[in-house]
Amino acid sequence: DSGVTQTPKHLITATGQRVTLRCSPRSGDLSVYWYQQSLDQGLQFLIQYYNGEERAKGNILERFSAQQFPDLHSELNLSSLELGDSALYFCASSVEATGPWLGYTFGSGTRLTVV
Amino acid sequence: SQQGEEDPQALSIQEGENATMNCSYKTSINNLQWYRQNSGRGLVHLILIRSNEREKHSGRLRVTLDTSKKSSSLLITASRAADTASYFCATSPNFGNEKLTFGTGTRLTIIP
Repeated sequence: DSGVTQTPKHLITATGQRVTLRCSPRSGDLSVYWYQQSLDQGLQFLIQYYNGEERAKGNILERFSAQQFPDLHSELNLSSLELGDSALYFCASSVEATGPWLGYTFGSGTRLTVV
Repeated sequence: SQQGEEDPQALSIQEGENATMNCSYKTSINNLQWYRQNSGRGLVHLILIRSNEREKHSGRLRVTLDTSKKSSSLLITASRAADTASYFCATSPNFGNEKLTFGTGTRLTIIP
């Protein structure tokens, strides 16, 4: 157990639908990052939140949105789903520190299948 | 877009042999990290090397970094079946480990 919890583990939904993926970061970590992993695109950075505020944005589609709540858990909302959105969605958390950086701690991911 | 490109894309070796995989990147970095991913699972952080370091060791892992060539290598010595996984390099261009950019990965298979 990495300490980063993602739910659900698997999700099957139809095109045009909306889903919400949830992530609880490791205790003490203030930053949450969302990544999408697909066979053709590899690991793509979507968005980062730090202590409730959006900090960095990657190639996130307008149909996707995220937020981080006061208890630091984060949700990634995917709407108007298309077949091409089928992928593994990972959440990672990290410690914000001024010293050596310890890398990301990843959750086990949510496998989204759009049919 | 991918910052790093791993080479080779796939590698199969006999158990007990050493495995070497390489990563090239495009822009200047603050640090470079290596991660392992077992099939369909989350990524696990292996080792981090800072831009002012040239070599780092952790157990059976040895990482080198050549910032002049914008490249890094990961050596796994005395490989085991449990090392079978995909290995990714990731670079951090900013001060801190914000928005790591991952490479394309090397799929390593250890043959018992």
